[in-house]
Amino acid sequence: QGQLVESGGGVVQPGRSLRLSCSASEFTFSNYAMYWVRQAPGKGLEWVAVTSHDESIKYYAVSVRGRFTVSRDNSRNTLYLQMNSLRTEDTAVYYCARRKIGADGLDVWGQGTLVTVSS
Amino acid sequence: QSVLAQPPSASGTPGQRVTISCSGSSSNIGSRTVNWYHQLPGTAPKLLIYNNDQRPSGVPDRFSGSKSGTSASLAISGLQSEDEADYYCAAWDDSLNGVVFGGGTKLTVL
Repeated sequence: QGQLVESGGGVVQPGRSLRLSCSASEFTFSNYAMYWVRQAPGKGLEWVAVTSHDESIKYYAVSVRGRFTVSRDNSRNTLYLQMNSLRTEDTAVYYCARRKIGADGLDVWGQGTLVTVSS
Repeated sequence: QSVLAQPPSASGTPGQRVTISCSGSSSNIGSRTVNWYHQLPGTAPKLLIYNNDQRPSGVPDRFSGSKSGTSASLAISGLQSEDEADYYCAAWDDSLNGVVFGGGTKLTVL
């Protein structure tokens, strides 16, 4: 079925950087497009970024464009989110998720990692 | 304010049928497929419906999805207490080049 495990969250000051990782197992990671989705405390879901299986296509939400970079290492079965110039409004639980092949739905999600941006 | 519009809350009694609506535009629901997720407090979202009306394996057939024009709906029949959760619709948006989510609907089983 597949498993995703995020790591790298924590407390960081505004303007600083953080890199999140998402380790994949139990499926062929290199075959799948991968997404980052976040959820601010008490709020709804917000899409952050997507990368195609081979990194040839990447898209970002307007709110993070120019500050966040999604990447992947298919040899290590790992997805990354480099977050620079962090703002207080970036405080959220960050989830990585796998897109179902042949569909738009995200069928496997990690447990999430909390990023808190605060001085 | 979310690109896709959902009612903030819905409710029903055990055994009842409830529907949750999701309204979008021609750049998202009108031209793309709709997915539905549900989320229990403190847990990750889970895919409930994909490609407008398809259920992943393991999702009971009490859950069904439909789409018409720029709107979509999720129906839950035979409501159970464990269905109490937040429900989100989502679709790709061709104008934004990204996924747009509804604001979420909190379902309460009375």
